[in-house]
Order: sequence, then structure tokens, then C-alpha cells
Amino acid sequence: DVQLLESGGGLVQPGGSLRLSCAASGFTFENYAMTWVRQAPGKGLQWVASISGGGEGIYHADSVKGRFTISRDNSKNTLFLQMNSLRGDDTAIYFCAKGTYSSSSFDYWGQGTLVTVSS
Amino acid sequence: SYVLTQPPSVSVAPGKTARLTCGGSDIGAKEVHWYQQKPGQAPLLVVYDDTDRPSGIPERFSGSNSGNTATLTISRVEAGDEADYYCQVWDNNSDHDVFGGGTKLTVL
Repeated sequence: DVQLLESGGGLVQPGGSLRLSCAASGFTFENYAMTWVRQAPGKGLQWVASISGGGEGIYHADSVKGRFTISRDNSKNTLFLQMNSLRGDDTAIYFCAKGTYSSSSFDYWGQGTLVTVSS
Repeated sequence: SYVLTQPPSVSVAPGKTARLTCGGSDIGAKEVHWYQQKPGQAPLLVVYDDTDRPSGIPERFSGSNSGNTATLTISRVEAGDEADYYCQVWDNNSDHDVFGGGTKLTVL
């Protein structure tokens, strides 16, 4: 079975940094694009960043560009999100999601990790 | 940037048909995907590439896409269908994924 397990969330002060991880299992990790999506409390889904299977294609939302960096380690089946210069509006549950082979949809999602930015 | 517009809420009686819309400029030229999210849970893909269903999703869920509107249709609505529904596309002009604001489906 496909499993995605996020970790690394927590409480951080404004201006601080966090590194989220997403451990993947149950599929050939290097063959699939991966994505981070976030959801602020009581709000909708917001795409954050995506990375191709080999890591050569990287895309970030304008709201996080220059502050967040998506990466992956295919030898460890793990996706990362390095978050710097965190702001209050970055407070959200962060989900990792698996891409599909022939579609731009996300067929499996983790349960998410909560990031709270507050002093 | 590309914008997807969804009505905030839709209400439907059990057994009836719910139609949830997702508006975007020439959205018919894009592949639209739909997700169901229940409180405290991760999103679940229910329709992809406009009309296809992942395995395990009931045939009651169907999709269409033309012009400036994509539609998720839920037939014979059940109480368990009550959830938030989001549409999503990949905008190849900006190389960004985009989600609609979501529609809360209430089963009366």
C-alpha cells in the first residue's frame, strides 16, 4: 500500500525556519512527481511546490518563492520542504501528495503536519 | 495567475443529484481534477482528467468539462458525501498548480 508520512512540523517564531519531511513507501518513489499542499486553519487547499521524479523540474508558488525550497532524496524515498523566513500566514497543515504517471492529479496524500508560526 | 472559482456552498437532499461547478477561463482546455475532503482528513481524489474515477470511487461521482465550466456531479447523494470539494488544474502558462476555493456540500 502507498503510504506518505509527514514529519517536522511544530511551533516556530516569525522569521524562523523548519524542514518538513515526507517518507514514502509502497511505490517506486523516483518515478513520480511529488507535491506539497497546505491548508490554513478553516481555509481551502493551497498548492505550495512540486518536484519531478528525478528532481530536475522544481516549481514553487509565488507566495513562498525565495523562502521555501522543495527537494527530494530518491535513495531514501523522502521528500523535503525547507521553510525559511516563516510568517504568520504560513501557519497551516502541510500535506505531501503523490503525482500520477499520466495526469497532473494527486492520487495519494499524507495526513499532514501542522506548522504554527507565532511568537 | 490562473483562477478557479467555486461556489462556497451547495445543499442537496438525500437521493437527489448535486452539481458542483468550477469556473475558469477556457477551463475546457485543461484537465480538471476533483478532491473530497472530510473534516480532519486528507483530501481524496474522486475524479481526475475531467471524467475518470480512481478505483474504489463509486460511479455516482462523475465529471464533465467544457468552455469555462467544469462540473462534478454526484448522483443519488448520501449523507456520507457531505464534505468539502475542491477542483484543481495544472496551469502550464505559469507552471503552477491551482486549486479552487472549495465548495461545502451539505446533505439536508
